[in-house]
Amino acid sequence: DAGITQSPRHKVTETGTPVTLRCHQTENHRYMYWYRQDPGHGLRLIHYSYGVKDTDKGEVSDGYSVSRSKTEDFLLTLESATSSQTSVYFCAITMGSYTEAFFGQGTRLTVV
Amino acid sequence: GENVGLHLPTLSVQEGDNSIINCAYSNSASDYFIWYKQESGKGPQFIIDIRSNMDKRQGQRVTVLLNKTVKHLSLQIAATQPGDSAVYFCAEIGASGNQFYFGTGTSLTVIP
Repeated sequence: DAGITQSPRHKVTETGTPVTLRCHQTENHRYMYWYRQDPGHGLRLIHYSYGVKDTDKGEVSDGYSVSRSKTEDFLLTLESATSSQTSVYFCAITMGSYTEAFFGQGTRLTVV
Repeated sequence: GENVGLHLPTLSVQEGDNSIINCAYSNSASDYFIWYKQESGKGPQFIIDIRSNMDKRQGQRVTVLLNKTVKHLSLQIAATQPGDSAVYFCAEIGASGNQFYFGTGTSLTVIP
C-alpha cells in the first residue's frame, strides 16, 4: 500500500455532524489527493495538495475542506455531513507530475 | 473534468483466454495514461502506464495500446487468470500533470 494509512477505515455518522478523515504517508511524497468513489462515477477528485499548506480544489469539492500542516498528513473534513456524502474515500499520493498515483485502502463513510 | 469513459461496464472471459478492456478519452492534449486494477475492498493498484509519444507498451502479461487518432486506450491481458478478476480503470492525466481523471471502470470476471 505504498506506505499510506487511512483512518478510520469505516465510519457511520449522522447528518449535520462534522467528520474528519485522515491520510498518513511515510513516503515523503509531495502530492496528496482525496478521491471519492461512487457506483457509476468511478473515482472523482475532491481536493489535492502539492505541499505543506498548499491545496487546491478538485471537481467535487463542495462540502469538503482539507488541511495539510505536515508533509505526511492530509486531512479531509466534512463540515456538516450530508447523505450525499456517503461514499468510499480514497487517499492517493504521487512523487511528482506525470507519475503514477498510489492509493490507500479507503474509508467507507455512511451518513445516516 | 476530463471525459474518460469505458465502452463496456462488465466483461466475462474464460480462464486462459485473452482479455481486452477499452477506454475512450476526450482531451486530445492529455499525454499520460494509466491503467489501474481494483479488487474488492481495496484501493486501486497501478498496472501499467503509457505516454502519448508511444502507441504500445508491454508489461508482464499486460499490454496497453494507445490510439491518439481516435482517442482510444486499451488494456490487453494475456492468459487471463482467476486472480485477474477485478474492476479495471483507465486514468487520464490532465494538463497540469497532477490531476487524474478516471473512467467509470470495467468489471472483469474470469470463469474457471
